[in-house]
Amino acid sequence: DAGITQSPRHKVTETGTPVTLRCHQTENHRYMYWYRQDPEHGLRLIHYSYGVKDTDKGEVSDGYSVSRSKTEDFLLTLESATSSQTSVYFCAISKGLAGQETQYFGPGTRLLVL
Amino acid sequence: AQTVTQSQPEMSVQEAETVTLSCTYDTSESDYYLFWYKQPPSRQMILVIRQEAYKQQNATENRFSVNFQKAAKSFSLKISDSQLGDAAMYFCAYRRNNNNDMRFGAGTRLTVKP
Repeated sequence: DAGITQSPRHKVTETGTPVTLRCHQTENHRYMYWYRQDPEHGLRLIHYSYGVKDTDKGEVSDGYSVSRSKTEDFLLTLESATSSQTSVYFCAISKGLAGQETQYFGPGTRLLVL
Repeated sequence: AQTVTQSQPEMSVQEAETVTLSCTYDTSESDYYLFWYKQPPSRQMILVIRQEAYKQQNATENRFSVNFQKAAKSFSLKISDSQLGDAAMYFCAYRRNNNNDMRFGAGTRLTVKP
């Protein structure tokens, strides 16, 4: 258990609506990540953060934005949700020595875009 | 770009027997890390084992061990004395040293038969 919670755990929304997913950690880790999981692709990195207000894009960042105003919270926003964004979203943190970190994951959020 | 391939979408094993899950990866780097994660029906991603590329010795964690073949870019997971609780999706993952972009394979679904 890496002290990671995600909210909501399940969400159903309609195409074109904005959606924000929250990741909260209690252990003051510097690095946080957002992944999406799809059957044919495994997990793919959307965005990550290396500190407050410091973020960078991952492999599949189009259509997503992130914000980190506090160390403990990392928000993922879908500005205008599309059906292709139906997925399971995982937040993760890194633990370990610099350059040798291992990632630990939150419980996931299942998002359905109708 | 680094890619990770898991060629076995599904595997099954008899309880108490041994099973090996395959993973290959493509990289031009020499310094990297490899991971196996387990995802049970709860969807939680759980770290099973980790291997540093600079280490020749294969990592082991209780009933879980890896066969790391760096030249062949192969990283298989062996589960000994399989238990019903081992039934899950297993994901192989690669991360270059000092890089935050972790790449996952598509996963292998392991069934354990009583």
